[in-house]
Amino acid sequence: AQRVTQPEKLLSVFKGAPVELKCNYSYSGSPELFWYVQYSRQRLQLLLRHISRESIKGFTADLNKGETSFHLKKPFAQEEDSAMYYCALSGLLSGSARQLTFGSGTQLTVLP
Amino acid sequence: NAGVTQTPKFRVLKTGQSMTLLCAQDMNHEYMYWYRQDPGMGLRLIHYSVGEGTTAKGEVPDGYNVSRLKKQNFLLGLESAAPSQTSVYFCASSNGLARTGSYNEQFFGPGTRLTVL
Repeated sequence: AQRVTQPEKLLSVFKGAPVELKCNYSYSGSPELFWYVQYSRQRLQLLLRHISRESIKGFTADLNKGETSFHLKKPFAQEEDSAMYYCALSGLLSGSARQLTFGSGTQLTVLP
Repeated sequence: NAGVTQTPKFRVLKTGQSMTLLCAQDMNHEYMYWYRQDPGMGLRLIHYSVGEGTTAKGEVPDGYNVSRLKKQNFLLGLESAAPSQTSVYFCASSNGLARTGSYNEQFFGPGTRLTVL
């Protein structure tokens, strides 16, 4: 079974401070991991995926297979980063249809 | 492109009533999904479809039925609503493998907030 754990429901940081949103997973195969973000009154959207190894809006996330973690980091938080963040693990359903198993989410608030 | 749309946005039902949620996508995606989101929990997969005319059960299918008569539409039905089905429902769609070899992202609709009294 695949599982995603986000231990922090709420996280507050001040503008300009570093932020780290934690994500741990359990999966027997080779995982494909994502971070999705939901800004207030907007739909869920992809922020980044581990396979791309890219930085989006200053966020990065490194897959650590030894620690089974995929933490999301940003060195200097901005007020517009305030949102709900979901870590998700992609598992095969059938063909190339994938099931996303989501963590329970972390509500990030960046204070002025 | 509108992307993924969902109707209605909000609905209140009484226990035992039935309703259908409609999801439509204009991206020609093969795969479509229905999730529910409950407080303190992540999104959980209810049913999914890998193509027109096909549906399959996800993690929490009980109490729901789905149909995919047209490629662009995926309907979620509640035959006899129960208070435990009070939730926010999200539809998503995706399209197989990307050229990079990784799986394409899922695109989500805005959600339907359902309350069952």
